[in-house]
Amino acid sequence: DAGVTQSPTHLIKTRGQQVTLRCSPISGHKSVSWYQQVLGQGPQFIFQYYEKEERGRGNFPDRFSARQFPNYSSELNVNALLLGDSALYLCASSLRLAAYNEQFFGPGTRLTVL
Amino acid sequence: ILNVEQSPQSLHVQEGDSTNFTCSFPSSNFYALHWYRWETAKSPEALFVMTLNGDEKKKGRISATLNTKEGYSYLYIKGSQPEDSATYLCAFQQAGTALIFGKGTTLSVSS
Repeated sequence: DAGVTQSPTHLIKTRGQQVTLRCSPISGHKSVSWYQQVLGQGPQFIFQYYEKEERGRGNFPDRFSARQFPNYSSELNVNALLLGDSALYLCASSLRLAAYNEQFFGPGTRLTVL
Repeated sequence: ILNVEQSPQSLHVQEGDSTNFTCSFPSSNFYALHWYRWETAKSPEALFVMTLNGDEKKKGRISATLNTKEGYSYLYIKGSQPEDSATYLCAFQQAGTALIFGKGTTLSVSS
C-alpha cells in the first residue's frame, strides 16, 4: 500500500507569491493534518481536517488556508509568502479523528521563499 | 503556552552502546504521548503511542516508558546500531488538541 504522498517535493517562490501544496492520505484514512517544520524546531501544527471539515487550527495567520476533498486528499495554500514561511511542510493522515490514533507522515514539501 | 522539552538535543554513541532520551511535557490534562523516529530524507515514522500512566512499550531494541503524573517519558535503545541514527521526536497531546512536538533528539551511532 502506498503511504502518504506529497507534491511537489521542493518549491522555490519569491516573497508575495502564493503557493499550493498537495497531500494524498493513505487509502481509507479520513483525517489529514498539516505541520510546518522550521530548521531546528519540531513540527508545528497548522490544520487538521476530517471528513472534509476543519477540525483544528494552529496559531498561524489567515494567509494559511487548507481544504480537504471528497477523496480525502488535501491542499494547503499560503498567500503573500514571507521569508519566514520557508520550511518543510509535512502532511499526516490517520484513520480517525481520535487523538491517540497513530499519524502517518508524508516525506514533506520543502518550500524556499526568496 | 504548552511546552515539550527533549533532552539531550543530540548525542553520539558507539555501536553496541545503550542510550536513552527524555521527553518532558505538562502533567495536566494528559491524553497521549507519541514517539517518532525521523531519518534524514525520509518521513517521520511512528514508534509508539502511549496513553496510560505507567505504560511501557517495546519494539525490538527500542522501548519507552511513560509517567503522566510527573510529565515525562523515556525512550531507550539497547545495543545501538548505525541504522538507529535518526532524530527522535516526542509529541504531547491533550484531549481534543493537536500534537505538540518537541525539538527532537538527534542520535548518531558510529560503527
